[in-house]
Amino acid sequence: EVQLVESGGALVQPGGSLRLSCEASRFTLSNFWMDWVRQGPGKGLVWVSRIDIDGNFTSYADSVKGRFTISRDSTKNTLYLQMNSLRADDTAIYYCVRDRGWNAFEIWGQGTMVTVSS
Amino acid sequence: EIVLTQTPLSLSVTPGQSASISCKSSQSLLYYNGNTYLHWYFQKPGQSPQLLIYEVSKRFSGVPDRFSGSGSGTDFTLDISRVEAEEVGVYYCAQGIQLPLTFGGGTKVEIK
Repeated sequence: EVQLVESGGALVQPGGSLRLSCEASRFTLSNFWMDWVRQGPGKGLVWVSRIDIDGNFTSYADSVKGRFTISRDSTKNTLYLQMNSLRADDTAIYYCVRDRGWNAFEIWGQGTMVTVSS
Repeated sequence: EIVLTQTPLSLSVTPGQSASISCKSSQSLLYYNGNTYLHWYFQKPGQSPQLLIYEVSKRFSGVPDRFSGSGSGTDFTLDISRVEAEEVGVYYCAQGIQLPLTFGGGTKVEIK
């Protein structure tokens, strides 16, 4: 079964760092545009970041620009989100998603919870 | 940033009846290639979202034909005929034409 499995979520203090991972199964991650989407507690969906097929183009929501970095390791078939200078409003479930084209997210991971609190 | 406004915020439906959700965009979602990039997602309680409809009206793999999408430009609708109890959850529209990608605020569907 094609799937995405996220990991790395944790409780972290404000100002801290965390790296999320998303391992792809039964497909080659580098053949697709990949994104991160987050959902705060009881809130809606918010797009966070994306990386293109070649890994040369990345984009970020303004709220995370300069603090988060998306990357990919083709040898491990894994997507990453490095999150620095974390703030309380970064608290959310983070989903890794596969783009089928034109930003229609066809595969979603189960999500990993990030809590930023002292 | 493109703002998507969904109405209603919540909907209570009797099983077997129909439901309709509106999504209005602050800008046209028609791209230069003639395609319109408006998608719909469904999130069951406690689960990850799933793609229902892409490019306004194309049903994703495995989605029953009781789900249909329509609309153009800035006004879009998701219709669900004969709502079933398992379709309780939150429905989101999303635009794929411009970064940052944005989602509507969601419509919560409950069963009476």
